[in-house]
Amino acid sequence: EIVLTQSPGTLSLSPGERATLSCSTSHTINSAYLAWFQQKPGQAPRLLIFGASTRATGVPDRFSGSGSGTDFTLTISRLEPEDFAVYYCQQYGVSPFTFGPGTRVDIK
Amino acid sequence: QVQLVQSGAEVKKPGSSVKVSCKTSGGAFSRHAISWVRQAPGRGLEWMGGIIPFFGTANYAQKFQGRVTITADESTNTAYMEMRSLRSEDTAVYYCARGGRGRETPQDYWGQGTLVTVSS
Repeated sequence: EIVLTQSPGTLSLSPGERATLSCSTSHTINSAYLAWFQQKPGQAPRLLIFGASTRATGVPDRFSGSGSGTDFTLTISRLEPEDFAVYYCQQYGVSPFTFGPGTRVDIK
Repeated sequence: QVQLVQSGAEVKKPGSSVKVSCKTSGGAFSRHAISWVRQAPGRGLEWMGGIIPFFGTANYAQKFQGRVTITADESTNTAYMEMRSLRSEDTAVYYCARGGRGRETPQDYWGQGTLVTVSS
């Protein structure tokens, strides 16, 4: 099983600031199979990024993904009030399709 | 527009079983992967397993192998997740999610979630 770790666990920032979230995998993965999700309280996860860097339909361009091998990054260029949420990375190339533990982005 | 609508909340006794449904509409069903993901209260996301209805064979995370069965009915565009021998730690919100054509595709449409509470 491929284990994903995310850092930091919590990120406290102000609206307008830049957020940088990291995701590391225990084994090298094909970047085509790395996704990022956003989840707000009481809601289902929302796909933001797939293939490590491709934004899903309707996702604002302030969200960007990058990385390869075992290290991946989600960047939110300027935080909007609606971006404060929990973010998960997931690899979906090798079963089981494991998730990271999440990074909470909260308001400073 | 693709929609996934799940069955309602369940309260179950330890040792019993639960079956959650996930009806899809507005898009293709048979060749799109359906995954089941759960989230215990205050915890993260846990992928349980998935199925491509056309092929009919599910694959599971090892943790759930033998205790969970995922099936799909192409005639009603509905996927199911059945869990047996429930225990208190199975209390969670269970989500279905639809991916693209093929197994290794991102889950871009999600159901609203079904809360399963296991309590004596």
